[in-house]
Amino acid sequence: GEDVEQSLFLSVREGDSSVINCTYTDSSSTYLYWYKQEPGAGLQLLTYIFSNMDMKQDQRLTVLLNKKDKHLSLRIADTQTGDSAIYFCAESGPNNNDMRFGAGTRLTVKP
Amino acid sequence: NAGVTQTPKFRVLKTGQSMTLLCAQDMNHEYMYWYRQDPGMGLRLIHYSVGEGTTAKGEVPDGYNVSRLKKQNFLLGLESAAPSQTSVYFCASTTTGSYEQYFGPGTRLTVT
Repeated sequence: GEDVEQSLFLSVREGDSSVINCTYTDSSSTYLYWYKQEPGAGLQLLTYIFSNMDMKQDQRLTVLLNKKDKHLSLRIADTQTGDSAIYFCAESGPNNNDMRFGAGTRLTVKP
Repeated sequence: NAGVTQTPKFRVLKTGQSMTLLCAQDMNHEYMYWYRQDPGMGLRLIHYSVGEGTTAKGEVPDGYNVSRLKKQNFLLGLESAAPSQTSVYFCASTTTGSYEQYFGPGTRLTVT
């Protein structure tokens, strides 16, 4: 089946930028997503990008998409301790019924 | 609005026992999903529903059954629990035209 892969752990210092990377294999992906999961909670959508876009910026978040390399990244500027969570990369076709998730990257922000 | 709620939050079963997990949403969403989350793996889709009275298989449906008798509820059943079904189960819902799936807080199930 199609895969979504991401590294499992990332540790940064408060105030630094965090970059979480993701690769996917399905060339027909239409939407790519970043979800955040805080301890004991469900996933919450952080941001998404259409496959025909290269970049999307939303306040401290910047999403970069390299469709040729099937590489997605999430940059968090000025990372805060409240950003500590697990970040999931996901992709889907034109509808949400075929969403595929990566294993999640646990971001730890040290003061 | 409560959003998506799941009952129970935690459960321990013995091998062979049965149970039903309840997911409820108050957003009038058409689509509902059951996922399982295992360490080191992404969420995997078990079953989903595109409307009241409909269900469909996802990536890992074996050992589970579902029902969607009311639009707001989506039930996940385990008829004969196995240790391999130890996992955290998430329910999600969405509506037509939305890119976002709204997730419940999860149910942590342990089968001994």
